[in-house]
Amino acid sequence: EAGVTQFPSHSVIEKGQTVTLRCDPISGHDNLYWYRRVMGKEIKFLLHFVKESKQDESGMPNNRFLAERTGGTYSTLKVQPAELEDSGVYFCASSLPNNEQFFGPGTRLTVL
Amino acid sequence: GENVEQHPSTLSVQEGDSAVIKCTYSDSASNYFPWYKQELGKRPQLIIDIRSNVGEKKDQRIAVTLNKTAKHFSLHITETQPEDSAVYFCAAGPMEYGNKLVFGAGTILRVKS
Repeated sequence: EAGVTQFPSHSVIEKGQTVTLRCDPISGHDNLYWYRRVMGKEIKFLLHFVKESKQDESGMPNNRFLAERTGGTYSTLKVQPAELEDSGVYFCASSLPNNEQFFGPGTRLTVL
Repeated sequence: GENVEQHPSTLSVQEGDSAVIKCTYSDSASNYFPWYKQELGKRPQLIIDIRSNVGEKKDQRIAVTLNKTAKHFSLHITETQPEDSAVYFCAAGPMEYGNKLVFGAGTILRVKS
């Protein structure tokens, strides 16, 4: 069974540019989560999808971040325009209802 | 909301010794406590979890204990090996539909051979 995949693995952009991160969950997992780890700190929750619906987006930092999951399969997280403080590792995770979350390898975003 | 504190931030042990990592949480509504291990350059992987209806769970050299009254839980690794070297994260959340996890800051464990 393929695990959660994320693309790209690394992204280096300049302040003010736009970046789109993609996450492909494990097939059949309706729950999809985005998390972020900044500068060696804790892994912080961003938002949670159930199928194509946003269940909880309380962790989204501001309106420069936009997450979508059209069709309830893969998800994208767009940052526009990117700021220096957006640098970090963005993780995606997926799960079945009431079950463990499987994490992807993460996308390391560097904003210069 | 939930807040999870994790200690220590770094831990060095000699191969064969035991390692203990401790976490505290604030929200009594949390009833699910997973531990993730992240090796260098790899994804976080679940190594053990515990739900609030039990006080202890063991899987080979790894065990987790939970004290609901004190709101703390701990990871115990016995007979440590070099391959146990990694970053360990504790987390807390409600094990129900919509399981948002709140993570600790992580512990860097180094096992010296």
